[in-house]
Amino acid sequence: EDQVTQSPEALRLQEGESSSLNCSYTVSGLRGLFWYRQDPGKGPEFLFTLYSAGEEKEKERLKATLTKKESFLHITAPKPEDSATYLCAVTHGGATNKLIFGTGTLLAVQP
Amino acid sequence: EAGVAQSPRYKIIEKRQSVAFWCNPISGHATLYWYQQILGQGPKLLIQFQNNGVVDDSQLPKDRFSAERLKGVDSTLKIQPAKLEDSAVYLCASTQGATYEQYFGPGTRLTVT
Repeated sequence: EDQVTQSPEALRLQEGESSSLNCSYTVSGLRGLFWYRQDPGKGPEFLFTLYSAGEEKEKERLKATLTKKESFLHITAPKPEDSATYLCAVTHGGATNKLIFGTGTLLAVQP
Repeated sequence: EAGVAQSPRYKIIEKRQSVAFWCNPISGHATLYWYQQILGQGPKLLIQFQNNGVVDDSQLPKDRFSAERLKGVDSTLKIQPAKLEDSAVYLCASTQGATYEQYFGPGTRLTVT
């Protein structure tokens, strides 16, 4: 059964304190791994797609990496506006490219 | 480019009542998804449309939930009758062609009392 596990469930950082969020997955025939950001009361906002092991993508203070078993979202020198829930999802494509989500990591960055 | 639109944003109903949600995807996006997100969990797919045909509804509780996408654009999701456990945020997403990135609307928060 396809499964996505995110850790930690919650993370509190001081402004400027870099850290990483983990997403481990079990899926047959991974087609893509996705990172989304979700603010309270809003829908998930697309951040990155990673397709193969070794791939990396960056956007401002965020960098996503992918191995054969897990993905990391590295946050460098975070700011309070980075506070949100970060969701990881996978798809194995095919006729239905549905996303299978983890439960997310709630990140709080304190000034 | 306008994003995915959903309405209403909030809805409170009593159990056994009916409710309907509306979604307008990004222009040109052929694939539309409805997800259910229970508090503290990630979104879970309910139904996927490709144009106006159903691709996957394996996790849709068909005894109470129904969805349609007439003319391959807007979609409605209906719950009849609602149960307490249906309290959740209902998210609509859309995607274009062969890409896998899905773009989400703001969601409808449903509270069943």
